[in-house]
Parts: sequence; structure tokens; C-alpha cells
Amino acid sequence: SQKIEQNSEALNIQEGKTATLTCNYTNYSPAYLQWYRQDPGRGPVFLLLIRENEKEKRKERLKVTFDTTLKQSLFHITASQPADSATYLCALVMNTGFQKLVFGTGTRLLVSP
Amino acid sequence: EPEVTQTPSHQVTQMGQEVILRCVPISNHLYFYWYRQILGQKVEFLVSFYNNEISEKSEIFDDQFSVERPDGSNFTLKIRSTKLEDSAMYFCASSGGQTPYEQYFGPGTRLTVT
Repeated sequence: SQKIEQNSEALNIQEGKTATLTCNYTNYSPAYLQWYRQDPGRGPVFLLLIRENEKEKRKERLKVTFDTTLKQSLFHITASQPADSATYLCALVMNTGFQKLVFGTGTRLLVSP
Repeated sequence: EPEVTQTPSHQVTQMGQEVILRCVPISNHLYFYWYRQILGQKVEFLVSFYNNEISEKSEIFDDQFSVERPDGSNFTLKIRSTKLEDSAMYFCASSGGQTPYEQYFGPGTRLTVT
């Protein structure tokens, strides 16, 4: 069956450290992968997109890697801040279809001062 | 900065009633979507809309659901006869313009069916 797995347990880290979140998928062949941030009661906010032929993408303190052989993406937040505390969602877009996003369940990140 | 807006923010309705959820996508976007999120669960795709027609829909999007773009700015989701299990956050999203693969989500409408 098709699955997108993210750590269901919250990730607790101290301010200033690097947070690393994992997204693993099975039985999908995504054209690209996106990461979103979601705060409680709010809609997802787009952060980064990485294509299947890209290994790494960076934006300010954020870095995403994409390994289509391992079927895994890693999402890093460097120099984390309490304001980074949120749920982070991984979403796949397949080669077919009109950009339908298939979301993982998300990982909650808590950054302590 | 342009944003997607949704109204109402919260809708309470009785089982069997019809509801219409409204969205105003970002003005130069061409692709429109509805997603839903049941409390504590993942965000699920419902339907995508392009060029005034549905381009893809999920199994959730059955005959009780319909979408419409009645004018150049609004995009609506109608549920004809609500069920208890329709209670969820409904998010509208749009994409297009210079970044066609990035979807921008609205703040959501919380639908409570009693």
C-alpha cells in the first residue's frame, strides 16, 4: 500500500540546535516533494519544494534533501528558534494529475528557549 | 502579500443540511483546490479545479460534494446533505502565476455538523 511516514512523536530540541525531520514514502513515484508548516487551527504554509532530480535545496535556515533511491526526504532547520515550533508536513506530488498534494501526518517540533 | 481568504471561519450546521464554503484564491492563480483535515488527522485532498472544470477528485469527493467558480474571484465548495463525519477543517488552496507548483492555503473553515 502507499504510505507517507513522518515521525508521529513530537521532536523536542533546544534553541540554537539543528532540527532534522524525516519523511519516508513507499509505493509512490513523486515528481517533487514539498514541505509545509502548520500552526494549530491554521492552514499549511508552503516552505520549500524539491524536484526528483535535485538532491538538496536551501532557503535561509531551511535545508531539504531528497533521496529517490531511499525514498526519503530530510528537512533541517538550523539555529532553531522557539518561533519555529509548529507541525511540519511533508507532501508529495506525483507525475500524473494536476498537482494534487498527498500529505504525511506531520511531525510536531517544539523548540525550547 | 496576496493571500487566500475563506469564509466563514466557523460553520455549525445540522445533519442533512446544505452548506457552502467560500474561498477567494490569489488573483493571478489558475489552479484551485479543496482539502480537508479531520481533527488530529492528516490533510486530505478533495478536488482540484482548472479551466472551469474539475481536473481531479478523490474518493471522498462523492455526489454530495460540488465545486463552482461562480465569478472571476470566488471558488465554492458545496456539501448537499451534511453528515456527522463531514465535520472537519476545510482548506482552500490555489497555485499558478510564477510559481505554479507551490500551493497557497487559506486559513480554513471549521465545519461542525451536529
